[in-house]
Amino acid sequence: DTAVSQTPKYLVTQMGNDKSIKCEQNLGHDTMYWYKQDSKKFLKIMFSYNNKELIINETVPNRFSPKSPDKAHLNLHINSLELGDSAVYFCASSETSGADTQYFGPGTRLTVL
Amino acid sequence: AQSVTQPDIHITVSEGASLELRCNYSYGATPYLFWYVQSPGQGLQLLLKYFSGDTLVQGIKGFEAEFKRSQSSFNLRKPSVHWSDAAEYFCAVANTGFQKLVFGTGTRLLVSP
Repeated sequence: DTAVSQTPKYLVTQMGNDKSIKCEQNLGHDTMYWYKQDSKKFLKIMFSYNNKELIINETVPNRFSPKSPDKAHLNLHINSLELGDSAVYFCASSETSGADTQYFGPGTRLTVL
Repeated sequence: AQSVTQPDIHITVSEGASLELRCNYSYGATPYLFWYVQSPGQGLQLLLKYFSGDTLVQGIKGFEAEFKRSQSSFNLRKPSVHWSDAAEYFCAVANTGFQKLVFGTGTRLLVSP
C-alpha cells in the first residue's frame, strides 16, 4: 500500500482556471505538508497542518488554499492559476510536528498553459 | 534562519567508484539533518538522517553520512556507486520545532559506465 498518495499525478490546465490536488496518507501521522518544487528542482515548503490545524503558512499567495478534512487528508486548491504556478507539488507527512521524519508522496506535476 | 548549501550542481562518477556529495548547513542550534534521493519522475525517498548521537550514520542502499559540527557539514558517501544511483540528491535541515524542512538546491549524480 502506498503510504502517501497524491492525485492527480499530472495536471495540465489553462491560465485562470481553478484546480485541486489531493493528498492522502495511511500512516496514521498527525502532520501533513505541501512543498513546491520549481523548474530548477528547488524545494520549498508551502503549508503544514497538524491534526487538521494550520501550523505553517509560508509566504504563499492567497490563491493557494489548503484544506484538511481529517488528519489523513490534505488537499491543495489553487484559484486563478498563473504560468508561474507550474511546478511539481509534493505532499508529505510525519508522525508529529516534532522531530520526526517526513515521508513524501510521488508528486503532482502541474503545467499551466 | 537555517539554510543548506550543496555546492555541486552535478557530479559524474564512474560505476564502481566512490562518491561524496557535499552539504553545508547554517543553523544556530543542534541541527536535524537529512539526505533524500529523487529518481527521475519520482518522489523523495529518505536515505538517512541525523538527530543526535553517533556522528556517522548509516542509511539505505549502502549510503552513509558524517556530521561534522566544526565544519557545519553533513556529507553523503558511498564506497562503490551503481548505475541505479543516478538521481538527484537533496540535503535538508529541520527548523526549530521541526515544523518544516529547508532543502538545499540538490546535486544531480550521473553515473558513467
